[in-house]
This record gives sequence, structure tokens and C-alpha cells, in this order.
Amino acid sequence: DVKVTQSSRYLVKRTGEKVFLECVQDMDHENMFWYRQDPGLGLRLIYFSYDVKMKEKGDIPEGYSVSREKKERFSLILESASTNQTSMYLCASSTQGASGRYGEQFFGPGTRLTVL
Amino acid sequence: QKEVEQNSGPLSVPEGAIASLNCTYSDRGSQSFFWYRQYSGKSPELIMSIYSNGDKEDGRFTAQLNKASQYVSLLIRDSQPSDSATYLCAVNIAGGYNKLIFGAGTRLAVHP
Repeated sequence: DVKVTQSSRYLVKRTGEKVFLECVQDMDHENMFWYRQDPGLGLRLIYFSYDVKMKEKGDIPEGYSVSREKKERFSLILESASTNQTSMYLCASSTQGASGRYGEQFFGPGTRLTVL
Repeated sequence: QKEVEQNSGPLSVPEGAIASLNCTYSDRGSQSFFWYRQYSGKSPELIMSIYSNGDKEDGRFTAQLNKASQYVSLLIRDSQPSDSATYLCAVNIAGGYNKLIFGAGTRLAVHP
């Protein structure tokens, strides 16, 4: 079974703090993704990575950065947390395959981040 | 803008009935389609994948795909209260690192 783990289930931080969210997958997947999910807004892609040290912006990258130093690990960084970054953060991974074919994503359990 | 549309619901069905969830997508080049189930407070769980026109059955779940109409659906037979969740439709957009576009989800409520 594919396993995607995230470093914390719940996290409470103060405005202005630097926040690290970590994601690890054990299936040797090339692609990894960070989403946030908010009521009424659905899943929104923040960043994704298709290889070590490679990253691409998603739909809402502002205020976030990412790091992928090893294939199995993808980190999301909030440089200076703000209250509007309070959300559920979900990491996912998938194989690369041929573009547009297959590509099912497997999600971690999520991190519910509250910024006070 | 590539889009995936779902009726937000809630879709309310009695226990034992068939629940029918629908999804339309805008990218005609899409080749892979997925259904995820998400319980409240939990992360999405993949329940069905479909790549070819027609039906694909897995237990009580049947996914249906019609690429000409750009339409994908999920049928849940013999619905159970434990099926109550939000169901997300996701489409693999052509030409982009296997990114998925997710619909906003349909909330299903199965009542005893």
C-alpha cells in the first residue's frame, strides 16, 4: 500500500512565525503535491514537484515555498505565517507515467494548521 | 481555465438505494478520471479510477465515463450510512505532470 505521512496532524502557530510542514512517501513516486483545502473553496494546488530539486508553482503559491532535497520528502514552508493561512494542508504523491495517463494521487492524512 | 463541475448537494438517499454522483469536465484532452471519498475532517481516499469509455465496476461502486459528452459518474449500489461523505471527482489534465483538477465535491447523506 502507498503510504504518505505528514509530520503533524494539528499545528498551532503565531502570526509571523516560520512554519515547516513535512511530507514523506514510501512508494518511490516522482511527483509530489501540496494542497490546501478550505470550506467552499475545495482543493487548491500550492506547489508541486516532479523530481528532486524541481518545483513548479500551482494556483496559489503566494506566501509559500517548497523544498525537495530527497525523492521521498517534500516540505512546505510558510515564511511568515498569517491568519489567512489557517487551513487544512494536504500532501499527495503520484507516479509520473506518460503525461495525462493514469496519475492517481495518494494523499497523506493532512495537517490542520491554525495561525493565531 | 480547465474546470471540473459537480453538484455540491447534499444528495440524500435512503439506506439500500442507489446513489448517483455526476461530474462534467472541460478539458477534452483528459484521459484519466478519478473518484475520491472524503470523510469529514479526513483526507481524500481514492476509490475508483477510469480511463476508457464505458463502465467500470468494483464491488458496490460503478464508475461511468463518456468522453464525447465529457461526463463521468459514480454509482453506489446498496448505499450504507457509512457511505455518507463528500465525493470528489478529479481529472488528469493533458500535458501537465499528471496534475489533477478536482471538483468541489458532492456531499452524500445516506439515511437509515
